[in-house]
Amino acid sequence: QVTLKESGPVLVKPTETLTLTCTVSGFSLSNARMGVSWIRQPPGKALEWLAHIFSNDEKSYSTSLKSRLTISKDTSKSQVVLTMTNMDPVDTATYYCARTGGIAAADPAFDIWGQGTMVTVSS
Amino acid sequence: DIQMTQSPSSLSASVGDRVTITCRASQGISNSLAWYQQKPGKAPKLLLYAASRLESGVPSRFSGSGSGTDYTLTISSLQPEDFATYYCQQYYSTLWTFGQGTKVEIK
Repeated sequence: QVTLKESGPVLVKPTETLTLTCTVSGFSLSNARMGVSWIRQPPGKALEWLAHIFSNDEKSYSTSLKSRLTISKDTSKSQVVLTMTNMDPVDTATYYCARTGGIAAADPAFDIWGQGTMVTVSS
Repeated sequence: DIQMTQSPSSLSASVGDRVTITCRASQGISNSLAWYQQKPGKAPKLLLYAASRLESGVPSRFSGSGSGTDYTLTISSLQPEDFATYYCQQYYSTLWTFGQGTKVEIK
């Protein structure tokens, strides 16, 4: 069974750096087709894609947030880590990780999602 | 970045109704489009990819069509479990983008 699970702090202070971990099971991050994205959703608002890491370790970042984001992976631990610097209350959201590559390499839709983790930014 | 615009932002419908949601991309995306369903407090669920291909296990009342910049999601006969928010998403560019969502409510 393929699963993804997000973990990280529930509360961060403004200006702090957020570090989130996505632990995957049921597939390997080294599989040529597999990739993992981070996506967030502020309360009552739409989904926003943040960053993606490919199987070959290439990365892609949201244009608007690129300067604040870093995505990395540890294949041996089956983990993908997202860091976001200089957190602000507007970054309060549920953060999801999601997999691509489970359908076909030509269709990198997000076929499996984690349950999400709610992060609140407040002093 | 490719912008995705969904319409309507919300709709009210009754069980058994045919429902259509539209998604327009700011440039051609060659059918590189997915549709997701999200229920309150839950992660999104993939319904269709490649504009019209049904994900495994998704009921056949869901269908997708379109080409170029314009795409639609159709629910042929709305069921009680279909009341949710629906998002389109393009993957033509590896700067993935979502539409703003369409909330389907009970009339």
